[in-house]
Amino acid sequence: DTGVSQDPRHKITKRGQNVTFRCDPISEHNRLYWYRQTLGQGPEFLTYFQNEAQLEKSRLLSDRFSAERPKGSFSTLEIQRTEQGDSAMYLCASSATRTARGSYNSPLHFGNGTRLTVT
Amino acid sequence: AQKVTQAQTEISVVEKEDVTLDCVYETRDTTYYLFWYKQPPSGELVFLIRRNSFDEQNEISGRYSWNFQKSTSSFNFTITASQVVDSAVYFCARGGGGNKLTFGTGTQLKVEL
Repeated sequence: DTGVSQDPRHKITKRGQNVTFRCDPISEHNRLYWYRQTLGQGPEFLTYFQNEAQLEKSRLLSDRFSAERPKGSFSTLEIQRTEQGDSAMYLCASSATRTARGSYNSPLHFGNGTRLTVT
Repeated sequence: AQKVTQAQTEISVVEKEDVTLDCVYETRDTTYYLFWYKQPPSGELVFLIRRNSFDEQNEISGRYSWNFQKSTSSFNFTITASQVVDSAVYFCARGGGGNKLTFGTGTQLKVEL
């Protein structure tokens, strides 16, 4: 039973560069979430997908951020023109929802995260 | 914003002591979920429990127990006979539709020998 996988684990980049992170959810999970966590804080919601549709984006997600989930499986999060304030842990999570015979919404299962450092 | 408050920033206990982590939440919804997650030094958030707003029964799982009180908007977490391996940051979270979670700021638990 593989969990949520994120790549890379660590990324160091210079201010102004673009970075892209990848998340592979648990295979039977149709929902995928991106969160950001800074030191000493809890994770903050960025965006989520149900299958390939991006259903909600937080105001934290500036226009420099874009997330995709093109085939409803893995997802990428790209940050353009990185700033030092983007330094954080980026967490991906997935969950399963079913609506046949009553709704079911599984808890979120998180990956190990990608730690971004912008110098 | 509907906040989740974990007033205890850090707690230190000696192994085998019981410890309770507090969580108070705000909500305008009648249906919602409450969660606890553990984040060990490795960084991965580990799911511990989910309760829905209609189920106020307290729950016990091994050394872990949870006390959900809607009247005080609290969802406290107790570890009985703490162990060094329990050392981690513990997050309380509230979720609504879509499973979008609002997390508290976490409580760092240190269990020492």
